[in-house]
Amino acid sequence: ETGVTQTPRHLVMGMTNKKSLKCEQHLGHNAMYWYKQSAKKPLELMFVYNFKEQTENNSVPSRFSPECPNSSHLFLHLHTLQPEDSALYLCASSQGGQGSVTIYFGEGSWLTVV
Amino acid sequence: DAKTTQPPSMDCAEGRAANLPCNHSTISGNEYVYWYRQIHSQGPQYIIHGLKNNETNEMASLIITEDRKSSTLILPHATLRDTAVYYCIVSLARGSGNTGKLIFGQGTTLQVKP
Repeated sequence: ETGVTQTPRHLVMGMTNKKSLKCEQHLGHNAMYWYKQSAKKPLELMFVYNFKEQTENNSVPSRFSPECPNSSHLFLHLHTLQPEDSALYLCASSQGGQGSVTIYFGEGSWLTVV
Repeated sequence: DAKTTQPPSMDCAEGRAANLPCNHSTISGNEYVYWYRQIHSQGPQYIIHGLKNNETNEMASLIITEDRKSSTLILPHATLRDTAVYYCIVSLARGSGNTGKLIFGQGTTLQVKP
């Protein structure tokens, strides 16, 4: 248990569906992240939020739409995805302040696009 | 963020120390060295981090060379449960205008054998 909870753990969706991934952190952190891990590839940073504001978007296609309503919750809204978007989606959080950044990850949501 | 180089794979006998090397020759003065590991199908787990000095916690020890161009993660008594991909990451300290993030490479796959 890392203090970062992701739901659902597994999701199968069609290319025309709309679904959302949810992340909640119970650590009192103020930065949250979405990472994507495709098969046999390194983790790719998708989005970074700091105090609910998006501070980074790594050229992620618009079919992925993040939402951060508060510092404890992060969503990833999915629509009209492609089969190549099938991957493990990982949420993470970190504490604010200066200095080192220890990021804590959830267990991930396995997404399959059919 | 500075780039890191790690061997793609290593073996270690159960009960022996596992020494995982990492090269980060372009590291700058305000960049930390982080180690994470990822056991198959799970989210990455934080292990340890350091700036200049050697560090030790309940999981591992981190040895950083004096010139900071390389480091070694030491698992003192490896068990079968330590079989995982180990990531060495160098990242800027969090500060003004910088939320803090971790960029993952390919890592080292450590196989602990009975």
